[in-house]
Amino acid sequence: DSGVTQTPKHLITATGQRVTLRCSPRSGDLSVYWYQQSLDQGLQFLIQYYNGEERAKGNILERFSAQQFPDLHSELNLSSLELGDSALYFCASSAGGGNTGELFFGEGSRLTVL
Amino acid sequence: DQQVKQNSPSLSVQEGRISILNCDYTNSMFDYFLWYKKYPAEGPTFLISISSIKDKNEDGRFTVFLNKSAKHLSLHIVPSQPGDSAVYFCAASPGAQKLVFGQGTRLTINP
Repeated sequence: DSGVTQTPKHLITATGQRVTLRCSPRSGDLSVYWYQQSLDQGLQFLIQYYNGEERAKGNILERFSAQQFPDLHSELNLSSLELGDSALYFCASSAGGGNTGELFFGEGSRLTVL
Repeated sequence: DQQVKQNSPSLSVQEGRISILNCDYTNSMFDYFLWYKKYPAEGPTFLISISSIKDKNEDGRFTVFLNKSAKHLSLHIVPSQPGDSAVYFCAASPGAQKLVFGQGTRLTINP
């Protein structure tokens, strides 16, 4: 158990819809990262938040947005969903804002867009 | 642009032998490298890391080698055990912010 909690574990929805994925980081961790893993792909970095502020941005689509709340949990919002958005979405956390240490990953949220 | 590449999607090794997983990178700004291991239905877990100031780091059965001139790193597992069967991701960082991951190599240890 990494200490990172992601909900929901599985989600099935239709094209054009909007979903929200939730992540609770390990106790005390200030950084939250979101990664996307599509079929046969590596983990693609989407975005990082540190203590409520956006710290780094990766290949995140404009239809996607995220935020980190004062209690440090984070939400990833995916809108106008397309078939290609079907993927595993991982949240990870770390203690600091830099990324020279290990990340602790949740079990992922599997999104299926039909 | 795939900055971190794991060119072998899969690898099969006999139990007790050495497993060697390879990773290449293109960004010379990367100065910290990590390996993660992932079992089905679980998130990746950290395995071992190496800083660019070193060329080798060892932790029990796991050793990571870094060849900066070739922009290549490898993970050696000796001896390989059935529990090592998993997907292994190589990752690299430019010292801050995001980790860039490779596509992963599925390692199967055969009894």
